Amino acid sequence: NAGVTQTPKFQVLKTGQSMTLQCAQDMNHEYMSWYRQDPGMGLRLIHYSVGAGITDQGEVPNGYNVSRSTTEDFPLRLLSAAPSQTSVYFCASSYSSPLRGSVKNIQYFGAGTRLSVL
Amino acid sequence: KQEVTQIPAALSVPEGENLVLNCSFTDSAIYNLQWFRQDPGKGLTSLLLIQSSQREQTSGRLNASLDKSSGRSTLYIAASQPGDSATYLCAGPLGNKLVFGAGTILRVKS
Repeated sequence: NAGVTQTPKFQVLKTGQSMTLQCAQDMNHEYMSWYRQDPGMGLRLIHYSVGAGITDQGEVPNGYNVSRSTTEDFPLRLLSAAPSQTSVYFCASSYSSPLRGSVKNIQYFGAGTRLSVL
Repeated sequence: KQEVTQIPAALSVPEGENLVLNCSFTDSAIYNLQWFRQDPGKGLTSLLLIQSSQREQTSGRLNASLDKSSGRSTLYIAASQPGDSATYLCAGPLGNKLVFGAGTILRVKS
């Protein structure tokens, strides 16, 4: 198993450009989520999905879109990049959502995408 | 609303020392809590998930406890080693979401 795979590892964008961060998992996990990590602010949830075709907003969703057409993939789209979106982005997955409250909620994280917006 | 706080923000100890990292949460209806490790420039790795029906969970030199009544969880690391140097984060559920603390940066000096 590859686990959770994120691409690209590094990206530099100009203000106003759009791009898609890719996330794929091969563990048949229902729950997938995207976080951004900024110094001094910890991890903040952007969007999450409890299964194919179902997505919802997290704490900081503005400027980002997601879709979940398959169980394996959960891409994050930056619509019009801004310097405030410079961050490290992490994708995570688990068998079930945190609501289930069981060991199936153990989260598996990707290695991250380091994004700079100039 | 679930808020998760970790104290201390940073900790430096000599090798071999036993240490405790603290995590507090505001929603006492929490049903599990996870501890993670993050090495510099890397993603997070799950260390322990402790359910509300448990009081402790152990993995090797790590022991996590959960006290819902006081809104606290602790991660105990026995006989610390330089390889334990990393950032340790805790996270608690809020419905379908996970809320993370800001982390404790641990440095174990040889």
